[in-house]
Amino acid sequence: AQSVTQLGSHVSVSEGALVLLRCNYSSSVPPYLFWYVQYPNQGLQLLLKYTTGATLVKGINGFEAEFKKSETSFHLTKPSAHMSDAAEYFCAVSPPGGYQKVTFGTGTKLQVIP
Amino acid sequence: NAGVMQNPRHLVRRRGQEARLRCSPMKGHSHVYWYRQLPEEGLKFMVYLQKENIIDESGMPKERFSAEFPKEGPSILRIQQVVRGDSAAYFCASSPMEETQYFGPGTRLLVL
Repeated sequence: AQSVTQLGSHVSVSEGALVLLRCNYSSSVPPYLFWYVQYPNQGLQLLLKYTTGATLVKGINGFEAEFKKSETSFHLTKPSAHMSDAAEYFCAVSPPGGYQKVTFGTGTKLQVIP
Repeated sequence: NAGVMQNPRHLVRRRGQEARLRCSPMKGHSHVYWYRQLPEEGLKFMVYLQKENIIDESGMPKERFSAEFPKEGPSILRIQQVVRGDSAAYFCASSPMEETQYFGPGTRLLVL
């Protein structure tokens, strides 16, 4: 069984400030981990994913996430928030390889304050 | 390469009617997944299909819901005798083989 917990359903940051969105997972096997972004009334867009190898993963739009096995975490960060980053972000987990039954977290809405 | 296409984008039905949601995967993708997103919630897996086969339907409600992915044409998610609780956004995703899933824009179903 696998699950994802996203701490904080709403996060507000000032433009130019650090963005930190938290994600903790539970999985019986080493998982694949994903971050998706959803803009209003749109589908999900993949930001980045971790499968194997380097634990620091860089994605699109300046985002990155680090897989920390000891903490079962996969937090999403961006050094400097931009107004266009305002959206909802979903962390997701799936079993490694093969068929992907992806389990999503409940999402974090990011507000960027000018 | 066009992305995953879903239609209609918005669908309004009265209680008891049928809803048909369509999903055209990206070119070259043979795997389709359906998810449901209720207001203020994350996406919940419903069903995973390959061409002409249902691989995993563990997330599908036992009644009124069905899905297909025929050899030709889009994948269809069908909801019979809709109820107000079916109001949600339904997302389709596709992937080549069993890799990263690419999502469509969703169909927002409103049941009156």
